[in-house]
Amino acid sequence: AQSVTQPDIHITVSEGASLELRCNYSYGATPYLFWYVQSPGQGLQLLLKYFSGDTLVQGIKGFEAEFKRSQSSFNLRKPSVHWSDAAEYFCAVGALEYGNKLVFGAGTILRVKS
Amino acid sequence: DAGVTQSPTHLIKTRGQQVTLRCSPISGHKSVSWYQQVLGQGPQFIFQYYEKEERGRGNFPDRFSARQFPNYSSELNVNALLLGDSALYLCASSFGQGTTNYGYTFGSGTRLTVV
Repeated sequence: AQSVTQPDIHITVSEGASLELRCNYSYGATPYLFWYVQSPGQGLQLLLKYFSGDTLVQGIKGFEAEFKRSQSSFNLRKPSVHWSDAAEYFCAVGALEYGNKLVFGAGTILRVKS
Repeated sequence: DAGVTQSPTHLIKTRGQQVTLRCSPISGHKSVSWYQQVLGQGPQFIFQYYEKEERGRGNFPDRFSARQFPNYSSELNVNALLLGDSALYLCASSFGQGTTNYGYTFGSGTRLTVV
């Protein structure tokens, strides 16, 4: 079965510093990978997605993620964090073989200090 | 274009009651999925509907049911509410059926509190 692990429950970074949020998945074939962001009390906004091709994916708000098959990872990065990036970030995996669902990680809460 | 709309935004129910949540997908999207997000956790898949047929079901009890209408809107029903059903219920729409490669667009959710 699919599973997604986000090892960091909370991360605090200074404004202007770089950011990397970790995501590891468990799945045999090539999954579809997503990063979503959720502000308090809100729904999920798609940051970026990977289906195939170039393993470095660019998303909205200056985010990027890199798919590393050998490490079963899909880490999210941003070179310079803004205070408005404070939110909860979810990594998710989907696959045709597992039906029509996304499996989400438990999320990482990002705090930005000024 | 309107995004995914969900109603109501908040509601409070008593244990044992029944609740109906509503979702309108993005225009042109034929697939609707429902997710439950308990506080402090990631969303959990409940159902997916495409062309008015159930295409996927998560590990939820039979108290949870859903349907999709000819205009592709959807309702999620939960009977005999338990305190543990308190959560944010998210609806997601997608263009295709079973093709997660299109990605899902989520609504803002319905916050259900069971007391």
